[in-house]
Amino acid sequence: AQSVTQLDSHVSVSEGTPVLLRCNYSSSYSPSLFWYVQHPNKGLQLLLKYTSAATLVKGINGFEAEFKKSETSFHLTKPSAHMSDAAEYFCVVSVYNTDKLIFGTGTRLQVFP
Amino acid sequence: NAGVTQTPKFRILKIGQSMTLQCTQDMNHNYMYWYRQDPGMGLKLIYYSVGAGITDKGEVPNGYNVSRSTTEDFPLRLELAAPSQTSVYFCASSYFARNTGELFFGEGSRLTVL
Repeated sequence: AQSVTQLDSHVSVSEGTPVLLRCNYSSSYSPSLFWYVQHPNKGLQLLLKYTSAATLVKGINGFEAEFKKSETSFHLTKPSAHMSDAAEYFCVVSVYNTDKLIFGTGTRLQVFP
Repeated sequence: NAGVTQTPKFRILKIGQSMTLQCTQDMNHNYMYWYRQDPGMGLKLIYYSVGAGITDKGEVPNGYNVSRSTTEDFPLRLELAAPSQTSVYFCASSYFARNTGELFFGEGSRLTVL
């Protein structure tokens, strides 16, 4: 069965330093993977998605993620954090042979000046 | 372009009361969804619809009902509210099926049942 694990519930960084939000997935096939961002009191917004094309996926606001099948990971990165990046981030995996999605439990990113 | 609009944003209910959460989208999307978000948990799908007149249960449908009479509207009905329904509810829509395309979310409705 498919599943997704976000390894950190909270991540704190200083403005201008790199961001790494970790996500591992479990799947017996090559799934579709997504990262969504939720700013305070807002709905979720798609950052990027992987659907078996290029393994390095670029998203909005300078974020990118790399699909690593050998490590079953899909970590989200950004070279330099901005205050506006403070939000909750969700890793999402599709379920094989269905249109279902499984959401991770979220990682809250804090950015300090 | 308003996107997905949910009302109300906040509501407090007493146990046993009923209410409807409204959701409207202006993007002509066929797919619409209701999710609930509980602290420390991922989003859970309550109900979804693949087009007007067609609805289906998600992972956690008990205690809820939906209807889809038009492409634009997808209201969620809570019957006999219980404290376990205290949550943040999100309506979403998509042009493609959710496992291939982007979901567009409303800003959420925070419901407290006392």
